[in-house]
Amino acid sequence: ETGVTQSPTHLIKTRGQQVTLRCSSQSGHNTVSWYQQALGQGPQFIFQYYREEENGRGNFPPRFSGLQFPNYSSELNVNALELDDSALYLCASSLEGLAGQPTYEQYFGPGTRLTVT
Amino acid sequence: AQKVTQAQTEISVVEKEDVTLDCVYETRDTTYYLFWYKQPPSGELVFLIRRNSFDEQNEISGRYSWNFQKSTSSFNFTITASQVVDSAVYFCALSEAGGYGQNFVFGPGTRLSVLP
Repeated sequence: ETGVTQSPTHLIKTRGQQVTLRCSSQSGHNTVSWYQQALGQGPQFIFQYYREEENGRGNFPPRFSGLQFPNYSSELNVNALELDDSALYLCASSLEGLAGQPTYEQYFGPGTRLTVT
Repeated sequence: AQKVTQAQTEISVVEKEDVTLDCVYETRDTTYYLFWYKQPPSGELVFLIRRNSFDEQNEISGRYSWNFQKSTSSFNFTITASQVVDSAVYFCALSEAGGYGQNFVFGPGTRLSVLP
């Protein structure tokens, strides 16, 4: 177990709705990344948060947004859901290493399976 | 732009056979990190190894070994004496260095089935 938890496990939404997915990072980890994994594909980087600020973003539209809280938990929000948003959403936490450099070792949660109908 | 290719979509082996999973990457950076992750049916990605671009030494960990060759931009993963519990999807990933906001790029994955 990595100590990273995500909720809910599964979720079904209708096209056009909004959804919030939650992640609780491993204790002390100050960096969280979110990934989208479509069926049969590798995870795709959505964005990363470091100390509550967005710190990098992949090729996803602005309707994908996030928050990171002081207790290092985080949220992924998706507005105006589309059918193609159906996927497994993974969060991964990591810890700042020596001299402020990232350790690059990410610990993944079990994911939230989102189905958009 | 960075890219990771895993040409083998699916592999089936019989228990105790050795199996090698291929990974080829593309990057313009001279400093980068390569990873292998295992994703069992439960869905959680399990970290297996990280290798930086300056360390071409091969690594062995139990039944697992990794062969990093910069000359061919490959980072192959071998499982010796495979077991049924090794059945999973394996992902190779690349991260270019440069501080925070690193953009991890995963390959499409190789589904390994180990038959009893």
